Amino acid sequence: DTGVSQDPRHKITKRGQNVTFRCDPISEHNRLYWYRQTLGQGPEFLTYFQNEAQLEKSRLLSDRFSAERPKGSFSTLEIQRTEQGDSAMYLCASSSGTGDISPLHFGNGTRLTVT
Amino acid sequence: GQNIDQPTEMTATEGAIVQINCTYQTSGFNGLFWYQQHAGEAPTFLSYNVLDGLEEKGRFSSFLSRSKGYSYLLLKELQMKDSASYLCAVTDSNYQLIWGAGTKLIIKP
Repeated sequence: DTGVSQDPRHKITKRGQNVTFRCDPISEHNRLYWYRQTLGQGPEFLTYFQNEAQLEKSRLLSDRFSAERPKGSFSTLEIQRTEQGDSAMYLCASSSGTGDISPLHFGNGTRLTVT
Repeated sequence: GQNIDQPTEMTATEGAIVQINCTYQTSGFNGLFWYQQHAGEAPTFLSYNVLDGLEEKGRFSSFLSRSKGYSYLLLKELQMKDSASYLCAVTDSNYQLIWGAGTKLIIKP
């Protein structure tokens, strides 16, 4: 069990550019979540996958955000035409939940700074 | 709406005991989690309560009262490394996690 890994750890981009983040969950976990967190706040739900199916997407997620999980393994989160308000920590988490309550295992996050 | 309330910040002394409270109003309830998050790091799982009562795990204990919509995390024999934010999160009727903003705990020598 190598844990949840995210890449890159830090990303600085200029407003208007596109960025893509990657998450590799714990291998036997079938659920994968993306959250966004700003300083002094709890994680804000963005979307989640059960295997390769995207089951829920937050209404807060604009059309500029898209996530994929091809083959039900790693996942990518893309933000198009970034804005300064997108600056935050983007956290990925996975769990083994299959109807029961399973704790989330988080990666160390990708810190995005939009200048 | 759904809401979770925690104190923003607390200060305690090394070796002492501290209780961090969490109150919630959610659409349904399927359990409450506590997570610890050190600055710049990811949240890590501490405890889970779904039935009323106290769950003890070493120096950390978590209590739940579903009728009162209330939980607390109790930390004993505080150590400097316990300085972190403590996040309360509730699973609602749709099995979605609703997060509090976290309580920043400062430990002083």
